[in-house]
Amino acid sequence: EAQVTQNPRYLITVTGKKLTVTCSQNMNHEYMSWYRQDPGLGLRQIYYSMNVEVTDKGDVPEGYKVSRKEKRNFPLILESPSPNQTSLYFCASRSPGVLAGETDTQYFGPGTRLTVL
Amino acid sequence: ILNVEQSPQSLHVQEGDSTNFTCSFPSSNFYALHWYRWETAKSPEALFVMTLNGDEKKKGRISATLNTKEGYSYLYIKGSQPEDSATYLCASIGYSNYQLIWGAGTKLIIKP
Repeated sequence: EAQVTQNPRYLITVTGKKLTVTCSQNMNHEYMSWYRQDPGLGLRQIYYSMNVEVTDKGDVPEGYKVSRKEKRNFPLILESPSPNQTSLYFCASRSPGVLAGETDTQYFGPGTRLTVL
Repeated sequence: ILNVEQSPQSLHVQEGDSTNFTCSFPSSNFYALHWYRWETAKSPEALFVMTLNGDEKKKGRISATLNTKEGYSYLYIKGSQPEDSATYLCASIGYSNYQLIWGAGTKLIIKP
């Protein structure tokens, strides 16, 4: 079954304590993203990666890091979390699209609800 | 317009009624328009991917149309059911960088 998995699903932490949210996909997609969702603001892209070792900033990258050492995994790292990073986070994996003869579709993970105290 | 805008922000519809809402997007450099359905406590799921002007897609009671020249798409739900309650997101993709630009969503609540 095609899927994107994220862990943990829920996390409560304190300011300044480094954390990592893992993301993994089994569809061999090259393109992966991280989003945060806050009430009234919709989905905002944090970082994206178009392939292994290729990452780029999205709309709201401050305070976050990512890495893409292998195609299936795209972890999100918060080196020093702050309360304004309390949010719902989604990892997503995107199919190649019409240029590769596929329908361009984004598959979302189940979400990670992070609370920073 | 530079951003993707969805209207209305929220919508209350009586069960059995039909409804529709709008996604407006930049018409220049248009590549594709996505619609997603996002139920509470779940993750967004793809409904439609539309690329051609005049495109019309249908999945059960839900359909969507696309006008790339004027930069809008309509999502229609016929005979609304309680299970249609969700937030409906659209995202536009341009040729410039192939990134998805998301609207803030339309929250649909079906009243029994």
